[in-house]
Amino acid sequence: DADVTQTPRNRITKTGKRIMLECSQTKGHDRMYWYRQDPGLGLRLIYYSFDVKDINKGEISDGYSVSRQAQAKFSLSLESAIPNQTALYFCATSLRQGFSETQYFGPGTRLLVL
Amino acid sequence: GESVGLHLPTLSVQEGDNSIINCAYSNSASDYFIWYKQESGKGPQFIIDIRSNMDKRQGQRVTVLLNKTVKHLSLQIAATQPGDSAVYFCAENTGTASKLTFGTGTRLQVTL
Repeated sequence: DADVTQTPRNRITKTGKRIMLECSQTKGHDRMYWYRQDPGLGLRLIYYSFDVKDINKGEISDGYSVSRQAQAKFSLSLESAIPNQTALYFCATSLRQGFSETQYFGPGTRLLVL
Repeated sequence: GESVGLHLPTLSVQEGDNSIINCAYSNSASDYFIWYKQESGKGPQFIIDIRSNMDKRQGQRVTVLLNKTVKHLSLQIAATQPGDSAVYFCAENTGTASKLTFGTGTRLQVTL
């Protein structure tokens, strides 16, 4: 879905390197999220943000940091990459509407840490 | 290759048959549930949602059933098509605003 874009789509890096994954959205949503996906573990929340000045840790935030540069942009950084951070990373957005708050996902970034 | 779903439970159905994918959730305080579909190489895609004050909701070819007594959620797909082949995840909102907890997923394989 082009409404939520992620760059890069694939990245190979070495242990100890700092890398940044970018997420942009044109949906006009105020809430943004970063997840990682590993085989057998489903999607796990890393960080989330309800607006530009709001950043919250998810269940697995250690080793990661985020920046909400604008309503439409939310970046995830790995300060010093390690091999067990090899995973699929997804950005998502949502807008609270009544009872439903569906999260819409980007296409993902496949990260390999050597 | 695709790393998602290497060790997932798999449901194999014949084209045209109905599919039922099940999900057990653990938090009795969860009040909102979503089913997502994830095709190879893509992000999860919203299918249907349901609130805890409902026990059934229907969409186009899909129905979600919620049994709060046993904390069970199911997704029914009518007349399954090859394009339905994907990994399906359930997700629950545990009451903390906007935070979803995802299940590990079920792979649906549609045979011709």
